[in-house]
Amino acid sequence: DGGITQSPKYLFRKEGQNVTLSCEQNLNHDAMYWYRQDPGQGLRLIYYSQIVNDFQKGDIAEGYSVSREKKESFPLTVTSAQKNPTAFYLCASSISRGNQPQHFGDGTRLSIL
Amino acid sequence: SQKIEQNSEALNIQEGKTATLTCNYTNYSPAYLQWYRQDPGRGPVFLLLIRENEKEKRKERLKVTFDTTLKQSLFHITASQPADSATYLCALGIYNQGGKLIFGQGTELSVKP
Repeated sequence: DGGITQSPKYLFRKEGQNVTLSCEQNLNHDAMYWYRQDPGQGLRLIYYSQIVNDFQKGDIAEGYSVSREKKESFPLTVTSAQKNPTAFYLCASSISRGNQPQHFGDGTRLSIL
Repeated sequence: SQKIEQNSEALNIQEGKTATLTCNYTNYSPAYLQWYRQDPGRGPVFLLLIRENEKEKRKERLKVTFDTTLKQSLFHITASQPADSATYLCALGIYNQGGKLIFGQGTELSVKP
């Protein structure tokens, strides 16, 4: 079955440490997205990529970095510069042109030790 | 500033009744609007899309309306069931933004037997 796989499901970070969240899709979608979800808030866009080797900052990119070396993969690194990283992180993909639905993974919950 | 607002309070209804969820927006001219369902600890799942030139869309027990004059979308679930209990998110797609979406904070629906 086609879909999006995020790993790990739960992740713990120590102060001053970078961590990388994995996102893989086998839907052959060109576009991929990373969102952050905090309790009682909607999804906020961190980064998105509409094609391999290209990506753009979303609304809350500070303290995060991404790469898009392969169509199937869009890893997110939460750097030590992100001072409030505890959140639920969601990855999604879609056909690149507008008005298409986004397909989501089941998220990674990141906590600070 | 750009805002999307959904009912912030949880909606509690009796099984068999119609649930109506609201999505209001300001400072946007959306090209289309999407509705998603999210269960606890899971990623959102796409339900329906409605374009700016469409007044209403239906899928089984679901109905979405889109009023660009009122800047509002209504999402209805008829003959609601306890299995419909979840958080429902609306998301706006903007012209010339590819597949990028702007999400509301979601409304939690609880259907009691």
